[in-house]
Amino acid sequence: DQQVKQNSPSLSVQEGRISILNCDYTNSMFDYFLWYKKYPAEGPTFLISISSIKDKNEDGRFTVFLNKSAKHLSLHIVPSQPGDSAVYFCAASAASGTYKYIFGTGTRLKVLA
Amino acid sequence: EPEVTQTPSHQVTQMGQEVILRCVPISNHLYFYWYRQILGQKVEFLVSFYNNEISEKSEIFDDQFSVERPDGSNFTLKIRSTKLEDSAMYFCASSPQVVGEKLFFGSGTQLSVL
Repeated sequence: DQQVKQNSPSLSVQEGRISILNCDYTNSMFDYFLWYKKYPAEGPTFLISISSIKDKNEDGRFTVFLNKSAKHLSLHIVPSQPGDSAVYFCAASAASGTYKYIFGTGTRLKVLA
Repeated sequence: EPEVTQTPSHQVTQMGQEVILRCVPISNHLYFYWYRQILGQKVEFLVSFYNNEISEKSEIFDDQFSVERPDGSNFTLKIRSTKLEDSAMYFCASSPQVVGEKLFFGSGTQLSVL
């Protein structure tokens, strides 16, 4: 039951270029989405969020886009830096009737210097 | 910045033994969670806890698992009789409210069941 999917297990990008990480979901009740970054042997660290009433949210180098009709969101990192190399997870939650976030399988981003 | 703390960072146990994983959530948070990540796999929801009771649990969270907030600051996950497949990184998380709020994660406890 993979309600949140990240179909690219890995991505390599040159330093300074744009990184685009994608996430698809199947549950139309999801209305709040988070992106987390995770380094080995550490807990996930929050990056950016978006609610379903918006289609874009920006925070510095990070922008999240939400396409509700396609049930798709993406995280853009511009410009990419070597310190961005980590595993990125998207997570989704529904406002009503649940107390949990469902995580995707993650995408390992490697930014090459 | 306040953080979620977890102890121990590593726990090794024999199959069939009981383990207790401990967490201190951020002090003004009301919602508490346990997630786990088996090596190389996704972060999986185990249980959420609010107002001193379980709000929701996954199918992973069977009768061998229990959670407790014994003293208003600690939040524990107990596995009564560990199995090999319980080996994973266990993450505690907390949030100030359930809807539209990010989760703050601890750095995890790596549980190895031998």
